[in-house]
Amino acid sequence: ETGVTQTPRHLVMGMTNKKSLKCEQHLGHNAMYWYKQSAKKPLELMFVYSLEERVENNSVPSRFSPECPNSSHLFLHLHTLQPEDSALYLCASSQGGGAVDTQYFGPGTRLTVL
Amino acid sequence: GQNIDQPTEMTATEGAIVQINCTYQTSGFNGLFWYQQHAGEAPTFLSYNVLDGLEEKGRFSSFLSRSKGYSYLLLKELQMKDSASYLCAAMDSNYQLIWGAGTKLIIKP
Repeated sequence: ETGVTQTPRHLVMGMTNKKSLKCEQHLGHNAMYWYKQSAKKPLELMFVYSLEERVENNSVPSRFSPECPNSSHLFLHLHTLQPEDSALYLCASSQGGGAVDTQYFGPGTRLTVL
Repeated sequence: GQNIDQPTEMTATEGAIVQINCTYQTSGFNGLFWYQQHAGEAPTFLSYNVLDGLEEKGRFSSFLSRSKGYSYLLLKELQMKDSASYLCAAMDSNYQLIWGAGTKLIIKP
């Protein structure tokens, strides 16, 4: 496999469920990102990990909980979500290192909260 | 505050040329990115500009004017497969990307 993969591609959950989104990158990158993409809105950066350490947490509600067990894998654990959390959740990776580098995205997980 | 503006939607004809504009206001500037995103797919990197001027990559070109806080993406010889959203993102002094809402480009035969 190449690039950045995400599973599942689609997820429907109730407000009381607990689920996890998974992201894997095969590019040898050191930084990984979670974004939320809602229709007609800019990408919202949620979390950034660099060398498995969280370096950014943009005032995201605690019902979203990230986990980065190693530089290739990133998870987003979801619990007691709200309908307004329905969106496309994108994972990205980049070389990292604090300089200008290009982010490479996965195809996203389309989340629907009922 | 930091802000990116780009048109919400544009329509063009197959075989024609289209220019998608983007204006930005950021705290510091470390370059501007363009991404293409087909419906239901990952955004894919198209171009990066940090110096003023035009950079050409096949049918796609990207222009930057730092003094005007302005960039555009130029698509030539449009094909139906170019129907997609085009995302503009500026990198600020902290190397954070500030994203626009994207421009949906519709190509008609």
